[in-house]
Amino acid sequence: GENVEQHPSTLSVQEGDSAVIKCTYSDSASNYFPWYKQELGKGPQLIIDIRSNVGEKKDQRIAVTLNKTAKHFSLHITETQPEDSAVYFCAASGGSGGGADGLTFGKGTHLIIQP
Amino acid sequence: NAGVTQTPKFRILKIGQSMTLQCTQDMNHNYMYWYRQDPGMGLKLIYYSVGAGITDKGEVPNGYNVSRSTTEDFPLRLELAAPSQTSVYFCASSYLSEQYFGPGTRLTVT
Repeated sequence: GENVEQHPSTLSVQEGDSAVIKCTYSDSASNYFPWYKQELGKGPQLIIDIRSNVGEKKDQRIAVTLNKTAKHFSLHITETQPEDSAVYFCAASGGSGGGADGLTFGKGTHLIIQP
Repeated sequence: NAGVTQTPKFRILKIGQSMTLQCTQDMNHNYMYWYRQDPGMGLKLIYYSVGAGITDKGEVPNGYNVSRSTTEDFPLRLELAAPSQTSVYFCASSYLSEQYFGPGTRLTVT
């Protein structure tokens, strides 16, 4: 089955700086790669996703890049703000390409924004 | 829309007891999922369903059962609770690939 590795486990950056979180996956058939933000005591919230036919996607201060050959994808957050502090999870799925596949998650990155 | 709702929010069970975790979604999604999250870990898939009457096992199904009699509801049943089932349980639903999660149920088995 799929295996997703995520690094680092903790990331501390100064407010206003950029943060990068990296993930690798093992199943070359995976074709959908979402990123989730989880705040304390809450469920994961989808913040951005990318499919295997796209190399990069951007939404305001958040971007995701995908390298299918190397089987890794990354989350980039620019101009970090205190409200960005949370645990971020990467995930992968999708041999079938539809909604039937569950997600395989990385272990998470605790992002700390220092004022 | 309320999205995905889960009840209860918290529960303490004794070893050997049983309980059902409730999950309801009002987005008319066909796909629904149950995950568990252990401390410091990512979420692991327990069971999923592609529509009413159809369920399938995920990565960690042992000790759990599910049913899907309607599009809206996807309850998770623990028959004989064990300490290893202490975890936070999340239900999710999706139309296609994008999964939307409920707020979770924190379960402690002692």
